[in-house]
Amino acid sequence: DSGVTQTPKHLITATGQRVTLRCSPRSGDLSVYWYQQSLDQGLQFLIQYYNGEERAKGNILERFSAQQFPDLHSELNLSSLELGDSALYFCASSEGETGTGFYEQYFGPGTRLTVT
Amino acid sequence: GQQLNQSPQSMFIQEGEDVSMNCTSSSIFNTWLWYKQDPGEGPVLLIALYKAGELTSNGRLTAQFGITRKDSFLNISASIPSDVGIYFCAGDEYGNKLVFGAGTILRVKS
Repeated sequence: DSGVTQTPKHLITATGQRVTLRCSPRSGDLSVYWYQQSLDQGLQFLIQYYNGEERAKGNILERFSAQQFPDLHSELNLSSLELGDSALYFCASSEGETGTGFYEQYFGPGTRLTVT
Repeated sequence: GQQLNQSPQSMFIQEGEDVSMNCTSSSIFNTWLWYKQDPGEGPVLLIALYKAGELTSNGRLTAQFGITRKDSFLNISASIPSDVGIYFCAGDEYGNKLVFGAGTILRVKS
């Protein structure tokens, strides 16, 4: 158990809908990262937050957005869903700030999103 | 974006055999990482490499950070059934934005 929790574990929804994935980082970790894992694209970095502020962006679509709240939990919002958005979405957390060295990222168990 | 080429794609080996997999990149990384992912779980960090040429072990696992900073390998000695899973290499150019390889699926025949 990494200490990172993600809910829900599974989510099935229809095209065009909007969903919210939730992540609670390990106790004490200030950074939260979101990744998407799909069969064709592999594991891809989406976005990072540190202590409530966006710090880095990867291959995140404009239809996707995220935020980190004062209690440090984070939510990833996916809207206007398409079939190709079906994937595993992982949250990871680490203690450190971007650019101050490498900090081990601890991954949660993931949310499996199926868009039908 | 950056691409990591990880090979082999999959391996099916006999229990007790040694395993080797590697990763190459067209770009330089400051940190190389090796993760393992079991079914239904998130990736777990096995080994982190921070300096070119560094050779690091974690039990039966040994990994090296290539001198050119564009490659890394992972060796698993005396494989056992619980080594089954997907192994990913990842590079961190700076600032904890990880780029992952496509993974090596390891299957062990007991």
